[in-house]
Amino acid sequence: DAKTTQPPSMDCAEGRAANLPCNHSTISGNEYVYWYRQIHSQGPQYIIHGLKNNETNEMASLIITEDRKSSTLILPHATLRDTAVYYCIVRAGISGGYNKLIFGAGTRLAVHP
Amino acid sequence: DTAVSQTPKYLVTQMGNDKSIKCEQNLGHDTMYWYKQDSKKFLKIMFSYNNKELIINETVPNRFSPKSPDKAHLNLHINSLELGDSAVYFCASSPLGGEAFFGQGTRLTVV
Repeated sequence: DAKTTQPPSMDCAEGRAANLPCNHSTISGNEYVYWYRQIHSQGPQYIIHGLKNNETNEMASLIITEDRKSSTLILPHATLRDTAVYYCIVRAGISGGYNKLIFGAGTRLAVHP
Repeated sequence: DTAVSQTPKYLVTQMGNDKSIKCEQNLGHDTMYWYKQDSKKFLKIMFSYNNKELIINETVPNRFSPKSPDKAHLNLHINSLELGDSAVYFCASSPLGGEAFFGQGTRLTVV
């Protein structure tokens, strides 16, 4: 599984968009980009994933560069409840078999009033 | 309804004891996992089972023995507990190759 690089911490004002970057320059063609977050003392929570197209769901948007070497998770209107550690993970899809999630250090996002 | 539930939520025990953590998922997933989050907050996979069969074992000491009586349950038994086993243990499940759903964790403290 490819490695990812994320900034250790970021701040965001409540109500503003939070843009969390991730570098995955060694990503393979069959590897997806997954985002999870972990709110304090809770289990990790799935947010979104994508292969090469941009994706949007009720929680966030995922923008993947054309060369797929980096991506950005966008929380369009951050709230205090979005304060968490955000993990960017690359992993092969179903064709890759029984893949494990390899968590890095993540980005600690602090949303302030 | 809790999708992935672990019991107990907290576990304090003495060194040398044997303890078990239970996990159940009601999502109908085929694959279940155990992860360990240590004091430095890194999450690392320990085991993965698919349809009751062990498919991933990440060089975990053999004091740790997972057991899957059916595909909705994956229990973790730990023998001869050591101080270094203190951590938060997370159970998770997923459809094959799909996104994982995590339980709320079991905080194990070995004294």
